[in-house]
Amino acid sequence: AQSVTQPDIHITVSEGASLELRCNYSYGATPYLFWYVQSPGQGLQLLLKYFSGDTLVQGIKGFEAEFKRSQSSFNLRKPSVHWSDAAEYFCAVGERGFQKLVFGTGTRLLVSP
Amino acid sequence: SQTIHQWPATLVQPVGSPLSLECTVEGTSNPNLYWYRQAAGRGLQLLFYSVGIGQISSEVPQNLSASRPQDRQFILSSKKLLLSDSGFYLCAWTLGNYGYTFGSGTRLTVV
Repeated sequence: AQSVTQPDIHITVSEGASLELRCNYSYGATPYLFWYVQSPGQGLQLLLKYFSGDTLVQGIKGFEAEFKRSQSSFNLRKPSVHWSDAAEYFCAVGERGFQKLVFGTGTRLLVSP
Repeated sequence: SQTIHQWPATLVQPVGSPLSLECTVEGTSNPNLYWYRQAAGRGLQLLFYSVGIGQISSEVPQNLSASRPQDRQFILSSKKLLLSDSGFYLCAWTLGNYGYTFGSGTRLTVV
Protein backbone atom coordinates (compact mmCIF):
# COMPACT_ATOMS: atom_id res chain seq x y z
CA ALA A 1 0.00 0.00 0.00
CA GLN A 2 1.07 3.51 -0.65
CA SER A 3 2.23 5.85 2.11
CA VAL A 4 3.46 9.41 2.46
CA THR A 5 6.06 10.83 4.83
CA GLN A 6 6.41 14.49 5.65
CA PRO A 7 9.42 14.52 7.97
CA ASP A 8 9.04 18.10 9.16
CA ILE A 9 6.19 18.75 11.58
CA HIS A 10 6.93 22.47 11.85
CA ILE A 11 9.01 24.82 9.76
CA THR A 12 9.66 28.50 10.42
CA VAL A 13 10.75 30.72 7.55
CA SER A 14 11.40 34.43 7.45
CA GLU A 15 9.19 36.45 5.17
CA GLY A 16 10.87 36.82 1.80
CA ALA A 17 13.04 33.75 2.26
CA SER A 18 12.78 30.63 0.15
CA LEU A 19 10.85 27.58 1.24
CA GLU A 20 11.13 23.86 0.66
CA LEU A 21 8.76 21.35 2.23
CA ARG A 22 9.75 17.73 2.00
CA CYS A 23 7.58 14.83 0.94
CA ASN A 24 8.56 11.21 0.39
CA TYR A 25 6.19 8.56 -0.84
CA SER A 26 6.15 4.82 -0.98
CA TYR A 27 4.52 3.29 -4.01
CA GLY A 28 5.54 0.60 -6.47
CA ALA A 29 4.60 2.39 -9.67
CA THR A 30 4.41 6.00 -10.81
CA PRO A 31 1.99 7.67 -8.44
CA TYR A 32 -0.33 10.60 -8.68
CA LEU A 33 1.09 13.24 -6.32
CA PHE A 34 -0.51 16.30 -4.77
CA TRP A 35 0.13 19.19 -2.46
CA TYR A 36 -2.72 20.76 -0.50
CA VAL A 37 -2.77 23.74 1.83
CA GLN A 38 -5.05 24.19 4.82
CA SER A 39 -5.63 27.44 6.67
CA PRO A 40 -6.75 27.12 10.31
CA GLY A 41 -10.28 25.77 10.61
CA GLN A 42 -10.70 25.52 6.86
CA GLY A 43 -10.87 22.82 4.25
CA LEU A 44 -8.02 21.87 1.96
CA GLN A 45 -7.09 23.73 -1.19
CA LEU A 46 -5.20 22.07 -4.02
CA LEU A 47 -1.88 23.78 -4.75
CA LEU A 48 -0.62 21.51 -7.52
CA LYS A 49 -0.61 17.96 -8.80
CA TYR A 50 1.61 15.63 -10.79
CA PHE A 51 0.28 12.88 -13.01
CA SER A 52 2.94 12.45 -15.69
CA GLY A 53 5.19 14.40 -18.04
CA ASP A 54 7.33 17.31 -16.91
CA THR A 55 8.64 16.55 -13.45
CA LEU A 56 8.59 20.20 -12.40
CA VAL A 57 5.02 21.22 -11.72
CA GLN A 58 3.78 24.76 -11.31
CA GLY A 59 0.90 25.51 -8.99
CA ILE A 60 -1.09 28.36 -7.59
CA LYS A 61 0.22 31.11 -5.32
CA GLY A 62 3.73 30.83 -6.76
CA PHE A 63 4.38 27.29 -5.56
CA GLU A 64 6.13 24.58 -7.52
CA ALA A 65 7.08 20.98 -6.85
CA GLU A 66 9.53 18.57 -8.41
CA PHE A 67 8.93 14.86 -8.81
CA LYS A 68 12.12 12.84 -8.36
CA ARG A 69 11.51 9.19 -9.01
CA SER A 70 14.98 8.11 -7.88
CA GLN A 71 14.41 9.69 -4.49
CA SER A 72 10.68 8.94 -4.23
CA SER A 73 10.21 12.59 -3.43
CA PHE A 74 7.86 15.39 -4.35
CA ASN A 75 9.15 18.46 -2.52
CA LEU A 76 7.24 21.72 -2.53
CA ARG A 77 9.10 24.98 -3.09
CA LYS A 78 8.49 28.69 -3.19
CA PRO A 79 11.22 31.25 -3.91
CA SER A 80 9.88 33.98 -1.62
CA VAL A 81 7.46 33.32 1.22
CA HIS A 82 4.74 35.76 2.17
CA TRP A 83 3.14 36.03 5.60
CA SER A 84 -0.12 34.79 4.10
CA ASP A 85 1.56 31.47 3.29
CA ALA A 86 1.47 30.50 6.96
CA ALA A 87 -0.70 27.38 7.02
CA GLU A 88 -0.50 23.62 7.11
CA TYR A 89 0.67 21.80 4.01
CA PHE A 90 -0.22 18.25 3.11
CA CYS A 91 1.37 15.98 0.56
CA ALA A 92 -0.78 13.18 -0.82
CA VAL A 93 -0.36 10.19 -3.11
CA GLY A 94 -3.01 8.57 -5.25
CA GLU A 95 -2.81 5.03 -6.46
CA ARG A 96 -3.46 4.64 -10.17
CA GLY A 97 -6.65 2.77 -10.83
CA PHE A 98 -8.07 3.52 -7.38
CA GLN A 99 -10.13 6.43 -6.26
CA LYS A 100 -8.61 7.51 -3.00
CA LEU A 101 -5.73 9.60 -1.71
CA VAL A 102 -3.38 8.88 1.16
CA PHE A 103 -2.17 11.96 2.99
CA GLY A 104 0.96 12.71 4.93
CA THR A 105 0.71 14.04 8.47
CA GLY A 106 1.31 17.59 7.33
CA THR A 107 3.88 20.33 7.86
CA ARG A 108 2.91 23.50 9.64
CA LEU A 109 4.58 26.55 8.15
CA LEU A 110 5.20 29.57 10.33
CA VAL A 111 6.35 32.82 8.73
CA SER A 112 8.35 35.22 10.86
CA PRO A 113 8.58 38.96 10.12
CA SER B 1 -19.39 25.47 -11.59
CA GLN B 2 -19.18 22.75 -9.00
CA THR B 3 -19.58 23.48 -5.31
CA ILE B 4 -19.50 21.36 -2.20
CA HIS B 5 -21.48 22.13 0.91
CA GLN B 6 -20.81 20.68 4.30
CA TRP B 7 -22.71 21.37 7.50
CA PRO B 8 -22.80 22.14 10.28
CA ALA B 9 -19.54 24.04 10.62
CA THR B 10 -19.24 23.31 14.33
CA LEU B 11 -20.98 20.84 16.58
CA VAL B 12 -20.76 20.03 20.28
CA GLN B 13 -22.40 16.76 21.24
CA PRO B 14 -22.53 14.76 24.49
CA VAL B 15 -21.09 11.28 24.68
CA GLY B 16 -23.66 8.68 23.66
CA SER B 17 -25.67 11.02 21.47
CA PRO B 18 -26.27 10.38 17.74
CA LEU B 19 -24.51 12.18 14.91
CA SER B 20 -25.43 13.17 11.41
CA LEU B 21 -23.15 15.22 9.18
CA GLU B 22 -24.23 16.04 5.68
CA CYS B 23 -22.32 16.82 2.53
CA THR B 24 -23.77 17.74 -0.83
CA VAL B 25 -22.18 18.49 -4.16
CA GLU B 26 -23.68 20.69 -6.85
CA GLY B 27 -22.89 21.09 -10.51
CA THR B 28 -21.71 17.58 -11.27
CA SER B 29 -23.00 14.04 -11.63
CA ASN B 30 -21.82 10.72 -10.24
CA PRO B 31 -18.88 12.08 -8.27
CA ASN B 32 -16.74 9.97 -6.00
CA LEU B 33 -17.37 11.12 -2.45
CA TYR B 34 -15.15 10.88 0.62
CA TRP B 35 -15.20 11.44 4.36
CA TYR B 36 -11.90 12.23 6.05
CA ARG B 37 -11.20 12.92 9.71
CA GLN B 38 -8.43 15.11 10.99
CA ALA B 39 -7.59 14.71 14.65
CA ALA B 40 -5.70 17.44 16.46
CA GLY B 41 -2.05 17.47 15.40
CA ARG B 42 -2.51 14.59 12.99
CA GLY B 43 -2.97 14.12 9.28
CA LEU B 44 -6.07 13.18 7.38
CA GLN B 45 -7.51 9.75 7.84
CA LEU B 46 -9.82 8.39 5.18
CA LEU B 47 -12.97 7.06 6.81
CA PHE B 48 -15.33 6.22 3.94
CA TYR B 49 -15.59 6.63 0.22
CA SER B 50 -18.32 6.04 -2.31
CA VAL B 51 -18.17 5.62 -6.06
CA GLY B 52 -21.96 5.53 -6.53
CA ILE B 53 -25.36 5.60 -4.88
CA GLY B 54 -25.60 3.02 -2.13
CA GLN B 55 -21.94 2.01 -2.52
CA ILE B 56 -19.88 2.62 0.60
CA SER B 57 -16.35 1.49 1.31
CA SER B 58 -15.08 1.67 4.87
CA GLU B 59 -11.42 2.23 5.50
CA VAL B 60 -11.33 2.12 9.28
CA PRO B 61 -13.55 0.00 11.55
CA GLN B 62 -15.05 2.38 14.08
CA ASN B 63 -18.11 3.87 15.64
CA LEU B 64 -19.16 5.66 12.46
CA SER B 65 -21.11 4.78 9.34
CA ALA B 66 -21.76 6.48 6.03
CA SER B 67 -24.57 6.49 3.53
CA ARG B 68 -25.18 7.85 0.06
CA PRO B 69 -28.93 8.12 -0.42
CA GLN B 70 -28.64 10.34 -3.50
CA ASP B 71 -26.01 10.82 -6.18
CA ARG B 72 -24.63 14.02 -4.72
CA GLN B 73 -25.35 13.50 -1.03
CA PHE B 74 -23.04 11.84 1.46
CA ILE B 75 -23.93 11.43 5.12
CA LEU B 76 -21.74 10.50 8.06
CA SER B 77 -23.54 9.06 11.06
CA SER B 78 -23.11 7.56 14.45
CA LYS B 79 -25.65 6.01 16.80
CA LYS B 80 -23.62 6.76 19.93
CA LEU B 81 -20.72 9.17 19.94
CA LEU B 82 -17.50 8.48 21.81
CA LEU B 83 -15.02 11.03 23.11
CA SER B 84 -12.55 9.71 20.55
CA ASP B 85 -14.89 10.76 17.73
CA SER B 86 -13.93 14.40 18.30
CA GLY B 87 -12.11 15.93 15.37
CA PHE B 88 -12.39 17.87 12.17
CA TYR B 89 -14.43 16.08 9.53
CA LEU B 90 -13.91 16.86 5.88
CA CYS B 91 -16.00 15.84 2.93
CA ALA B 92 -14.46 15.75 -0.55
CA TRP B 93 -15.44 14.86 -4.09
CA THR B 94 -13.72 14.01 -7.33
CA LEU B 95 -14.70 12.91 -10.80
CA GLY B 96 -11.88 10.43 -11.02
CA ASN B 97 -9.21 12.80 -12.22
CA TYR B 98 -7.86 13.04 -8.71
CA GLY B 99 -8.67 16.68 -8.47
CA TYR B 100 -10.17 16.37 -5.01
CA THR B 101 -12.25 19.30 -3.86
CA PHE B 102 -12.82 19.60 -0.14
CA GLY B 103 -15.65 21.10 1.84
CA SER B 104 -15.00 23.61 4.58
CA GLY B 105 -15.22 20.97 7.30
CA THR B 106 -17.14 20.30 10.50
CA ARG B 107 -15.48 20.71 13.88
CA LEU B 108 -17.00 18.05 16.15
CA THR B 109 -16.40 18.16 19.88
CA VAL B 110 -17.75 15.31 21.95
CA VAL B 111 -18.12 16.23 25.62
